[in-house]
Amino acid sequence: QQPVQSPQAVILREGEDAVINCSSSKALYSVHWYRQKHGEAPVFLMILLKGGEQKGHEKISASFNEKKQQSSLYLTASQLSYSGTYFCGTGRETSGSRLTFGEGTQLTVNP
Amino acid sequence: DAGVIQSPRHEVTEMGQEVTLRCKPISGHDYLFWYRQTMMRGLELLIYFNNNVPIDDSGMPEDRFSAKMPNASFSTLKIQPSEPRDSAVYFCASSFPGLLSGELFFGEGSRLTVL
Repeated sequence: QQPVQSPQAVILREGEDAVINCSSSKALYSVHWYRQKHGEAPVFLMILLKGGEQKGHEKISASFNEKKQQSSLYLTASQLSYSGTYFCGTGRETSGSRLTFGEGTQLTVNP
Repeated sequence: DAGVIQSPRHEVTEMGQEVTLRCKPISGHDYLFWYRQTMMRGLELLIYFNNNVPIDDSGMPEDRFSAKMPNASFSTLKIQPSEPRDSAVYFCASSFPGLLSGELFFGEGSRLTVL
């Protein structure tokens, strides 16, 4: 079942912060975050595993609340290069390496 | 490493024609995935292989679609006959061995247009 992402789109000015949420109705083992720029392939940002800690990648970090089956991606002091579509992909213990991706959140950072 | 290599990058064909998309995964990766991306349905997993063996093909839309992985360095996704609703970007991705739900390395994608 496809995870639900919110918001669907967000527009920021350079330097502003944003939060993208991903939730599932099923128990999750892992949450992946990817960024895709227009006309390009998705690029991996980070994985959060069940029982794992919050992770960070430069000014991009994420958390995973196992009990609520939710993950949030935090972008702080956004840069123009952060523009793109962000996807969360969720994995379940019983699904092996199969990921189900959300519909994506389109992030636009303006000067 | 050259990354995941897909061909062709763009394909325009007419309804009813056979389409073959190709993928070369990163050397040493033993998982290979085929995804389809459309505006309406987002990123959908079609099929994935582990050590050249198909593990889960439940995402393959219908019998017109087939995928093979004859060896560790090559996979094909075939559509026969193609239909306009098959128009999409098809991504191949591979991941490291032995890592459950590991990082996916995507190819540049094959953009298919069926007229």
